[in-house]
Amino acid sequence: GQNIDQPTEMTATEGAIVQINCTYQTSGFNGLFWYQQHAGEAPTFLSYNVLDGLEEKGRFSSFLSRSKGYSYLLLKELQMKDSASYLCAPMDSNYQLIWGAGTKLIIKP
Amino acid sequence: GAVVSQHPSWVICKSGTSVKIECRSLDFQATTMFWYRQFPKQSLMLMATSNEGSKATYEQGVEKDKFLINHASLTLSTLTVTSAHPEDSSFYICSARGRDAQETQYFGPGTRLLVL
Repeated sequence: GQNIDQPTEMTATEGAIVQINCTYQTSGFNGLFWYQQHAGEAPTFLSYNVLDGLEEKGRFSSFLSRSKGYSYLLLKELQMKDSASYLCAPMDSNYQLIWGAGTKLIIKP
Repeated sequence: GAVVSQHPSWVICKSGTSVKIECRSLDFQATTMFWYRQFPKQSLMLMATSNEGSKATYEQGVEKDKFLINHASLTLSTLTVTSAHPEDSSFYICSARGRDAQETQYFGPGTRLLVL
């Protein structure tokens, strides 16, 4: 079967760094997406990794290891507005995104 | 770029009525659009995938006669919830993707449906 494993909830302090891990199992693989979803809103695209390694985009970076079925999202210089759910979504061989429940990130002052 | 709009953002209707939700890609051609449903504190659930000019592909367990999808152009897809019932109350979100299957899905802001 296909599944995604992310921590349900994480807490971090404003200004700090947090890493959200994701392990996945899919039928085939065509890359992995990270989305941010604020409560009551639709997801917004953060990053896409298809090759191994780190992709940096401002305060957010995403890492992929295909052989380990592992990715992480790194958020630096945390701001209160970063409080949201973060969804790791690998794409399977049919180009379908596989969705888990995501990680709820709580930022404290 | 890559803006997707949805209308209406909120709808309240009586049980038994039909509701139509529009999804538009504003600045790109959406070869493929997706319709999702999300209940509180649950993950996104894909309902159906539609390609412009062809019939939608529904996920297992989703009634195609109840959730009518029309992807009439490269910028517009509609979802009609027919004979809505209270259990259909949910957050409906569309997303759109360009021609390449590996392209990013961009989401609309979602539509909250409350069926009384």
